[in-house]
Amino acid sequence: GENVEQHPSTLSVQEGDSAVIKCTYSDSASNYFPWYKQELGKRPQLIIDIRSNVGEKKDQRIAVTLNKTAKHFSLHITETQPEDSAVYFCAASFSGGGADGLTFGKGTHLIIQP
Amino acid sequence: DAGVTQSPTHLIKTRGQHVTLRCSPISGHKSVSWYQQVLGQGPQFIFQYYEKEERGRGNFPDRFSARQFPNYSSELNVNALLLGDSALYLCASSRGGMNTEAFFGQGTRLTVV
Repeated sequence: GENVEQHPSTLSVQEGDSAVIKCTYSDSASNYFPWYKQELGKRPQLIIDIRSNVGEKKDQRIAVTLNKTAKHFSLHITETQPEDSAVYFCAASFSGGGADGLTFGKGTHLIIQP
Repeated sequence: DAGVTQSPTHLIKTRGQHVTLRCSPISGHKSVSWYQQVLGQGPQFIFQYYEKEERGRGNFPDRFSARQFPNYSSELNVNALLLGDSALYLCASSRGGMNTEAFFGQGTRLTVV
């Protein structure tokens, strides 16, 4: 089955600086890669996703890059703000025929220092 | 526009008991997936249902079962509860097929004592 490795487990950056979180996956058949943000005691929220036919996707301060050959993908947050502090999870799945169970990484606790 | 709703929000059970958790997906979504999230870890895939059929199953024992109803709502059942089953159980709703954006409910916090 799929295995997703995520690092770092904790990332502390100064407000205004950029943050990068990296994930690798094992199953070359995976074709869908979402990122979720989870604040303490709340549900995971989808913040951005990318499919395997695209190398990069951007949404305001957030961007995701995908390298299919190396089987890794990354989340980039620019101009970080205090409200970006949360746990971020990457995930991977094969999407097809309605079956799309996600395999998650262990999460990165992002701390934005004022 | 209602999001994914789960009930109950919190539950305390004794070892050996049985529990049923419920999930209502976003209107128009036909796929429901269940995940277990232990404190400090990422969600782990338990089941996926699409059009009322099981389409995927994670590495969980047979004590875990689920079903999806004609209105696309779903139940997760866990028999013979163990202390290790204590976790946040999350339901995710998606349209299914090739569109896999999954949206999570607020979860059910299960504590087994």
